[in-house]
Amino acid sequence: AQSVAQPEDQVNVAEGNPLTVKCTYSVSGNPYLFWYVQYPNRGLQFLLKYITGDNLVKGSYGFEAEFNKSQTSFHLKKPSALVSDSALYFCAVRDLFSSASKIIFGSGTRLSIRP
Amino acid sequence: DAGVTQSPTHLIKTRGQQVTLRCSPKSGHDTVSWYQQALGQGPQFIFQYYEEEERQRGNFPDRFSGHQFPNYSSELNVNALLLGDSALYLCASSLAGKTYSPLHFGNGTRLTVT
Repeated sequence: AQSVAQPEDQVNVAEGNPLTVKCTYSVSGNPYLFWYVQYPNRGLQFLLKYITGDNLVKGSYGFEAEFNKSQTSFHLKKPSALVSDSALYFCAVRDLFSSASKIIFGSGTRLSIRP
Repeated sequence: DAGVTQSPTHLIKTRGQQVTLRCSPKSGHDTVSWYQQALGQGPQFIFQYYEEEERQRGNFPDRFSGHQFPNYSSELNVNALLLGDSALYLCASSLAGKTYSPLHFGNGTRLTVT
């Protein structure tokens, strides 16, 4: 079965510092991975995806993610955090055994950026 | 370019009642997926509709049903509501055949069952 795990419920970072939100995956076959962000009382917004190719993927709002096959990880990163980055972040994987375009989400990590 | 729209934004129902949630997909999209997001959890896949048929279903009971209309909009129906059905219900749209394109989400319907 395809799955992703987010080991941290919450990550706290000072504004201007680099941030990392961790994600590990378990898939059969090639992984197709996504990061989404959710602001309060809103739906999920797509940040970036990894399908194949370069292990460093760049996305929206200055975020990037590093795909590491040997560690089965897909960590979200940003060089300099902003207070406005405070939100709930979800790692997700495409279910390759699904006839539909089903996405499986992790449990989420709440990112808090202090001024 | 209209994104995914959902209605209503909030809903309060009593146990045992029935509810209908509505979704209009992003312009140009033909596939609609429904997710349930309980408080403090990640979204869970309920089902997906394409060509007016249920394409796949997640681990949800038959009390959850849906429909897709010829204009690609969709409804989610939940019968015999339980307290545990309280959640944010998210609709996501996509284009069939674009397997690795991201889903586009609406802002959700917050359902509270009392």
